[in-house]
Amino acid sequence: NAGVTQTPKFQVLKTGQSMTLQCAQDMNHEYMSWYRQDPGMGLRLIHYSVGAGITDQGEVPNGYNVSRSTTEDFPLRLLSAAPSQTSVYFCASSYYRDGGEQYFGPGTRLTVT
Amino acid sequence: AQSVAQPEDQVNVAEGNPLTVKCTYSVSGNPYLFWYVQYPNRGLQFLLKYITGDNLVKGSYGFEAEFNKSQTSFHLKKPSALVSDSALYFCAVRTADMGRRALTFGSGTRLQVQP
Repeated sequence: NAGVTQTPKFQVLKTGQSMTLQCAQDMNHEYMSWYRQDPGMGLRLIHYSVGAGITDQGEVPNGYNVSRSTTEDFPLRLLSAAPSQTSVYFCASSYYRDGGEQYFGPGTRLTVT
Repeated sequence: AQSVAQPEDQVNVAEGNPLTVKCTYSVSGNPYLFWYVQYPNRGLQFLLKYITGDNLVKGSYGFEAEFNKSQTSFHLKKPSALVSDSALYFCAVRTADMGRRALTFGSGTRLQVQP
């Protein structure tokens, strides 16, 4: 199993540009989520999904959009990049049973200039 | 709302000595508690979890954690630290409520083990 994969690893954007961060998992997990990691703030939940066709907002959803058309894929779209979105982004997945631990991807380091 | 506090930004310990990384939490209802570790430029790796049952939970790499309901704590421990344990550690909590799966993470504690 490849686990959770994310592309790209690094990205530099100019303010106002849009882009999509890709996330895929091959473990047939129902639950997938996106976090951003900023120094001293831990991980904050952006959006999550409990299955194909179902998404919901997390703690910091503004400026981001998601969709879940398949079980495997959960892309994160930045609609109009801002310097405040400079961060490291992690995708995670887990089974939807009680207590299922999340498996994390390697992350995407995004810089917005 | 649920929250996690990791009161120490950094913990320093000598190799071979016991280590403790502290975590306290706040959640409605019964908690599910997790510890993750992050090595430089890597994603988070799962260490251990408390769901129910025995308050002492054993996990990967010799780590364990003790759930204390009265003190709402879930401290991570290891009897003998290794230099290779140096990393960033995150505590996370979520409610056992079936309708909400989102984890809330603490701000992280950097563990530095000196040779």
